[in-house]
Amino acid sequence: DVKVTQSSRYLVKRTGEKVFLECVQDMDHENMFWYRQDPGLGLRLIYFSYDVKMKEKGDIPEGYSVSREKKERFSLILESASTNQTSMYLCASRKQGYGYTFGSGTRLTVV
Amino acid sequence: KNEVEQSPQNLTAQEGEFITINCSYSVGISALHWLQQHPGGGIVSLFMLSSGKKKHGRLIATINIQEKHSSLHITASHPRDSAVYICAVRSDDSVEYGNKLVFGAGTILRVKS
Repeated sequence: DVKVTQSSRYLVKRTGEKVFLECVQDMDHENMFWYRQDPGLGLRLIYFSYDVKMKEKGDIPEGYSVSREKKERFSLILESASTNQTSMYLCASRKQGYGYTFGSGTRLTVV
Repeated sequence: KNEVEQSPQNLTAQEGEFITINCSYSVGISALHWLQQHPGGGIVSLFMLSSGKKKHGRLIATINIQEKHSSLHITASHPRDSAVYICAVRSDDSVEYGNKLVFGAGTILRVKS
């Protein structure tokens, strides 16, 4: 089975901190995605990547950046965390022509 | 108007009941996904459909491309089926949507014993 592993289930960070959320997949998938999920708003795409060193903005990229230096790893970076970035963050990966595999999510609280 | 609409938003059922969750979409699609999310947990992909019908255990998913509608059925429901069920579509308009999923708001299902 494909695994998408997110490094932390729960994180608490202070306002202004730089935050790294890591996502690793073990099946050589080309496409990787970062979503955030908020009550009443559903899942919204932050960034996605279709290959190493490639990235595309999603619907809500402001305040975030990403890094994909290796195919298996897609990192989401909050340069200066703010309280409105408190959310559930979900990583997903996909092999072209196949379905999506999601990670277990990281619940981030910014205080 | 959202491109993907789910109904109902909330559903409470008794154990053993047959459950249907509906999904309508307004864009041309290359595939439709049904996802399951348990409280506090990650998301599990249940089905990926581009036509017809798929079955996995007590779960059945159908899609009607002409009517732009999909249903997820759960037979002999059980309390462990309690979760949020999310419909998501991958648009075939690659210029507009690139490689993205468009999500419905989800249906919160509670099955009582």
